[in-house]
Amino acid sequence: AQSVTQLGSHVSVSEGALVLLRCNYSSSVPPYLFWYVQYPNQGLQLLLKYTTGATLVKGINGFEAEFKKSETSFHLTKPSAHMSDAAEYFCAVSATSGTYKYIFGTGTRLKVLA
Amino acid sequence: NAGVTQTPKFQVLKTGQSMTLQCAQDMNHEYMSWYRQDPGMGLRLIHYSVGAGITDQGEVPNGYNVSRSTTEDFPLRLLSAAPSQTSVYFCASSYFGQVTDTQYFGPGTRLTVL
Repeated sequence: AQSVTQLGSHVSVSEGALVLLRCNYSSSVPPYLFWYVQYPNQGLQLLLKYTTGATLVKGINGFEAEFKKSETSFHLTKPSAHMSDAAEYFCAVSATSGTYKYIFGTGTRLKVLA
Repeated sequence: NAGVTQTPKFQVLKTGQSMTLQCAQDMNHEYMSWYRQDPGMGLRLIHYSVGAGITDQGEVPNGYNVSRSTTEDFPLRLLSAAPSQTSVYFCASSYFGQVTDTQYFGPGTRLTVL
């Protein structure tokens, strides 16, 4: 069975500060991991994904995430927050074969303060 | 390309009424799916389809029906609406539904059942 835990349903950062959104997963098989972003009144958009290979994954809009197997984590970071980063962020895990069925986390709403 | 489109954007139903949420994509994707999004629960898979004529249940299928007569369309039917079905519904598609494919999400339908 697979599961995802996102620590902190709401995170506030100042503009220009580091963004750190936490995601821990549980999986009995090697996982594929994803971060999605949802802007207000819009659908989800893929930020980045880890499948195989390099454990540090770079995504769109300056975000990156590092797969740490020993810590079962896939935290999302951005060095400098921008006002436009205010959105809800979802971590998801999937099995590594077959038709995917994402297991989504409960989401973290990021607020960026001027 | 319009991508993934959903209609209507908003809907209010009374308990016991039926309705169909429409989803269409113009990317020739084989895989389509429906999710519901509830506060504090992330997204949960309702039904999915790996091609025309083929559908299967996801995590929370009760109270919903789907069919896939064409590659482009994947409607979601609520046979007898209940207040527990108040939610935001997202349709998503990808080329083949494999774990390495990117899913594209529609803008969502916000449904309220009174």
